[in-house]
Amino acid sequence: GAGVSQSPRYKVAKRGQDVALRCDPISGHVSLFWYQQALGQGPEFLTYFQNEAQLDKSGLPSDRFFAERPEGSVSTLKIQRTQQEDSAVYLCASSRVGASTDTQYFGPGTRLTVL
Amino acid sequence: SQQGEEDPQALSIQEGENATMNCSYKTSINNLQWYRQNSGRGLVHLILIRSNEREKHSGRLRVTLDTSKKSSSLLITASRAADTASYFCATVPSGSARQLTFGSGTQLTVLP
Repeated sequence: GAGVSQSPRYKVAKRGQDVALRCDPISGHVSLFWYQQALGQGPEFLTYFQNEAQLDKSGLPSDRFFAERPEGSVSTLKIQRTQQEDSAVYLCASSRVGASTDTQYFGPGTRLTVL
Repeated sequence: SQQGEEDPQALSIQEGENATMNCSYKTSINNLQWYRQNSGRGLVHLILIRSNEREKHSGRLRVTLDTSKKSSSLLITASRAADTASYFCATVPSGSARQLTFGSGTQLTVLP
């Protein structure tokens, strides 16, 4: 079946603009994660959903970042008033049931560039 | 912030040689996983080792885990040019958290 998909693949925003990044997880996967990956670094956790419930948002860097998954499938990561330091690749991952040993399946990412 | 460090940061070897990458982490873990990332692509899960395991094999991959030293190693045997990628270790902490905490990665280049 299809893997995790993300859109858009590339986004260029002017500083101060709002952006919305979409993640379509693998069908039926209960858990969904967002990560931020700066150039040359490993991904860093942003937030985690189990179905529609946002169980952990401790990694969101500021209140400009907001994520939702209203029907327990598609998720959107929104960044308000973008800043240059928000430039990164945003990765979405899903896992089947949310167990600690579940494999997380990653999407290709959205590369955000803030000018 | 990153959980730990990976060593080396970059590794260049000839096809057919073995590649060893090391990872250290800081906190108590439930399991440790290795991922691969080709340039501009998402991450692909390679192998998972639980905290009560010491060694695991999968094809040409061998992973070890030493929880007393909070370290792991990934060995790729008989490397191929197609193994060229960045390799990341990632830990799942003990307790209820489910998110992965990644290391800084090792860039492996396998020369044909």
